[in-house]
Amino acid sequence: GNSVTQMEGPVTLSEEAFLTINCTYTATGYPSLFWYVQYPGEGLQLLLKATKADDKGSNKGFEATYRKETTSFHLEKGSVQVSDSAVYFCARANTGNQFYFGTGTSLTVIP
Amino acid sequence: GAVVSQHPSWVICKSGTSVKIECRSLDFQATTMFWYRQFPKQSLMLMATSNEGSKATYEQGVEKDKFLINHASLTLSTLTVTSAHPEDSSFYICSASDPLGAKNIQYFGAGTRLSVL
Repeated sequence: GNSVTQMEGPVTLSEEAFLTINCTYTATGYPSLFWYVQYPGEGLQLLLKATKADDKGSNKGFEATYRKETTSFHLEKGSVQVSDSAVYFCARANTGNQFYFGTGTSLTVIP
Repeated sequence: GAVVSQHPSWVICKSGTSVKIECRSLDFQATTMFWYRQFPKQSLMLMATSNEGSKATYEQGVEKDKFLINHASLTLSTLTVTSAHPEDSSFYICSASDPLGAKNIQYFGAGTRLSVL
């Protein structure tokens, strides 16, 4: 089937720590992959995306690489900040632009 | 970037009443919009695909008579929760893509929190 499996949270890190949030997908073909972020009280915002194998999406210090061989799209950031505290969603899109999301991972960064 | 607006942001209603939620693309035309439902501390679940000028396509398990979708113009889709009950309380989110913009990018509304008493 088509699904997205995301590392469960919540995740609590100290400022400047390294962040990894795992995400794997199952899908027919080669879907586009995304990370969306939801800050408290706000709607989802696109963080980064990758549309084909080996693509690396990056934004605001976050990175994720589309790994076809492991069907993964793990999110990483070398040094998190308090302002990164939010819920992060991994998602894939089919050719009809329908999105399927992971369960979301809540990140809290403490000073 | 493109903006998708949802209205209202929060609605409280009595059990048995119907509630309409609007989703508008403010600076682009969207032939297709999507409706999602998000339960507390859970992910977004795709409910239906709203197609301008035609019937919506519902995901398996979503009651089409319960969640009426109308996409009468290129900038507006509405979701009506009919005869709402407490179990319909949830966060409803819409999204749309700009056909003239970046491919595969979905713009999400801020969501509508529905509380059914």
